[in-house]
Amino acid sequence: DTEVTQTPKHLVMGMTNKKSLKCEQHMGHRAMYWYKQKAKKPPELMFVYSYEKLSINESVPSRFSPECPNSSLLNLHLHALQPEDSALYLCASSQAGTGTTEAFFGQGTRLTVV
Amino acid sequence: DQQVKQNSPSLSVQEGRISILNCDYTNSMFDYFLWYKKYPAEGPTFLISISSIKDKNEDGRFTVFLNKSAKHLSLHIVPSQPGDSAVYFCAASARGTYKYIFGTGTRLKVLA
Repeated sequence: DTEVTQTPKHLVMGMTNKKSLKCEQHMGHRAMYWYKQKAKKPPELMFVYSYEKLSINESVPSRFSPECPNSSLLNLHLHALQPEDSALYLCASSQAGTGTTEAFFGQGTRLTVV
Repeated sequence: DQQVKQNSPSLSVQEGRISILNCDYTNSMFDYFLWYKKYPAEGPTFLISISSIKDKNEDGRFTVFLNKSAKHLSLHIVPSQPGDSAVYFCAASARGTYKYIFGTGTRLKVLA
């Protein structure tokens, strides 16, 4: 099973709303990632959790707040977003420890901020 | 600074022929390279990878070649099939960094 499940698949939110994106994997991976992808651009790394601890924050604005409740779950809490934050948000997971292993991606959440 | 580049934004190939997608990188610390296939509004699907200790890795119709001295890798798909039509991203990472850096992507169209 190489599945990473993301919910919801689509989300429309106002600039004053608070919402959360969820990601789940059961591959025993101990590294989990959030990426953001805008149209016709490559995925861009936002956050990395390793062994449930935040190890990388790519200078992401504080209106994005990640959380890793356990080794299988990863959340991204959203608050006071801007229209330019509209994008495809991708979760991924991989084995931890070396960085020389493949990352598996979920189907993404298409976020629209109005 | 784009550390991973795919200089061909698009490529069209006839069904049954070989598709060759290219990728260049600038960071000599990268030691693991991956290819992903992506359909619109979906997550990338892992295809094949190669470690810097190898120069070739093959999996079915997909072969990845790595030329470390040129900082260049390529993905060969043979024979190409219409279902291969998608955007292909190469990605690179360095040991212990957890950072997968993606190239700009190449849109492959396989013509029936």
